[in-house]
Parts: sequence; structure tokens; C-alpha cells
Amino acid sequence: GENVEQHPSTLSVQEGDSAVIKCTYSDSASNYFPWYKQELGKRPQLIIDIRSNVGEKKDQRIAVTLNKTAKHFSLHITETQPEDSAVYFCAASLTGGGNKLTFGTGTQLKVEL
Amino acid sequence: DSGVTQTPKHLITATGQRVTLRCSPRSGDLSVYWYQQSLDQGLQFLIQYYNGEERAKGNILERFSAQQFPDLHSELNLSSLELGDSALYFCASSSKGTAEGQYFGPGTRLTVT
Repeated sequence: GENVEQHPSTLSVQEGDSAVIKCTYSDSASNYFPWYKQELGKRPQLIIDIRSNVGEKKDQRIAVTLNKTAKHFSLHITETQPEDSAVYFCAASLTGGGNKLTFGTGTQLKVEL
Repeated sequence: DSGVTQTPKHLITATGQRVTLRCSPRSGDLSVYWYQQSLDQGLQFLIQYYNGEERAKGNILERFSAQQFPDLHSELNLSSLELGDSALYFCASSSKGTAEGQYFGPGTRLTVT
């Protein structure tokens, strides 16, 4: 089955700096890659997703890039703010082939003032 | 607020008991997914229902079962509970039958004593 590895497990940045979280996946047939943000005690929130026919997608301060050849994808957050502090999860899925989202182990992002 | 509701918010029960967790999807969503989140296992996909039928199965134990009713709400039944079943249980819903565009509910925190 699919295996998703996520790095780093913790990331501390200064407010205003950029943050990058990286994930690799094992199944080359996976074609859907969402990112979720989970604040302490809250639900995971879908913040951005990308499909395998697209190399990059942006939404204001967040962007996701996908390298299908290397089987990795990354989340980029620019101009970080304290409210960006949370745990971020990447996931991968082969849509139409079991509909199972396999999650990475999460990255605890801390944005310091 | 994602529009997905879950009850109860908290549940404390003893080993060997049986509990039922309930989920109501967003209006118009036909898919419901169940996830287990624990500290050591991360976010694990359990099962998906689409318009009343089981669509995908993940790492769901035989002691666990689920169903989706004609009004599209879903229930997750956990029986013969063990200490290791203590976790956050989330449901998510989407308008698609695939893994795409999932919005999570607030979760049910289950504590087995």
C-alpha cells in the first residue's frame, strides 16, 4: 500500500519567514495530494490540494509543489504569522482506486514572534 | 465550522463495552469517511461510505463496524473496547465518491478505562 513520509517533524521559524514542509510517497499511481492544518484540539482543516496533472498550486500565502518523477510534494508558507502555528499533515491518495487517504506523520510548525 | 457534525464530543467507557459514534455530513455530501487519530498511529483511515454503500476500507478492526443511513448520517460502532482504542475519532464528508475534498468534523474523543 501507499506510504507517506513527512519531514521535518518540528519546525520553528520567525514571524515573517518562510516555512517548507516536505513529503514523499511510495505509490507512483497516487494522483491526489491534500494538505491539512490541525490546531491543538481542533479538527484537521483542508488548506490546499493538488492533483498529479499540476506541478504547482498557490492560494495567497500558501503553495504546494509536486514532483511526480521524484514522488515528492512540498508545502510552502510565506510571510508566516503566529496563527500559522499548528500541526500540518500531508496525504496521498489514488482516487478511484480505493479512495484511501494515507497521511504523513505531521509537522509541528511554531511561528515565533 | 466545516458543516460536519459529530456526537458525542467526549465519551468515557470501560474495557469490554460497546459505543456508537454518530456523524452528520455537510448538506449535499454523499460520502462519509471515518478516521482514528492516536498519538502513536497518527491519522488512520478506517472506512468510507458513499450514498449508503461501503466504498473503501482501511485499517478497521473486526470489532469495529459502520453504516450510512438513508438520510446520509453515519454511525461507527466500536465493540469489545480495549485500552488501545482510546483515541480521537473523526468523520469527514465530501461531495465526491473519491478521496478528494474531505471536510472533517470536530471529532469524538473516546477514553477507554
